[in-house]
Amino acid sequence: KAGVTQTPRYLIKTRGQQVTLSCSPISGHRSVSWYQQTPGQGLQFLFEYFSETQRNKGNFPGRFSGRQFSNSRSEMNVSTLELGDSALYLCASSVPSGDTDTQYFGPGTRLTVL
Amino acid sequence: AQSVTQPDIHITVSEGASLELRCNYSYGATPYLFWYVQSPGQGLQLLLKYFSGDTLVQGIKGFEAEFKRSQSSFNLRKPSVHWSDAAEYFCAVGAEDTGRRALTFGSGTRLQVQP
Repeated sequence: KAGVTQTPRYLIKTRGQQVTLSCSPISGHRSVSWYQQTPGQGLQFLFEYFSETQRNKGNFPGRFSGRQFSNSRSEMNVSTLELGDSALYLCASSVPSGDTDTQYFGPGTRLTVL
Repeated sequence: AQSVTQPDIHITVSEGASLELRCNYSYGATPYLFWYVQSPGQGLQLLLKYFSGDTLVQGIKGFEAEFKRSQSSFNLRKPSVHWSDAAEYFCAVGAEDTGRRALTFGSGTRLQVQP
């Protein structure tokens, strides 16, 4: 079974631009979560989508948004990019269901904001 | 809200030696606990998890962890470290009231393995 895939793997943008990252979950997984990883703040939860609905949201400004499609694929968007948005953005998918409620992570998208 | 502390930022062990990485969490009820490993430039790979039941859990690559409620700890152990274990290790907690999949991560422990 293929793992979580994220595209693109690397991205360079300038301040003020917006960016869209894509995540395809493992087949059969219906929950997708997004995390931001930076050297200073570590791994932080952004949001989770399940059945096209946002279920949980972390403490990030409204510039960070996401959505999920009917095939469970998810996108996250960051508008008006700031230098501090440079990070590795990780997507994780899960079934979810009880004991199998475990998240499997993709390789990440490395975003650099200049 | 829950929190996770990994007191050791960096650990160096010799190949073949035993390993214990510490993780302490703060949460009122029974948490969902995870250990993930990350190699440079890669995503996170799940090593093991604890949801309930037996407090000693076995994971992949010969790792195990023990949940100790009285100490609010979930330490990761391996009896004999291999050079390929060099990576960064993250402990994470999920909670029923804030979302099992809204994980809170520790700051990570970087493991270096000496030949």
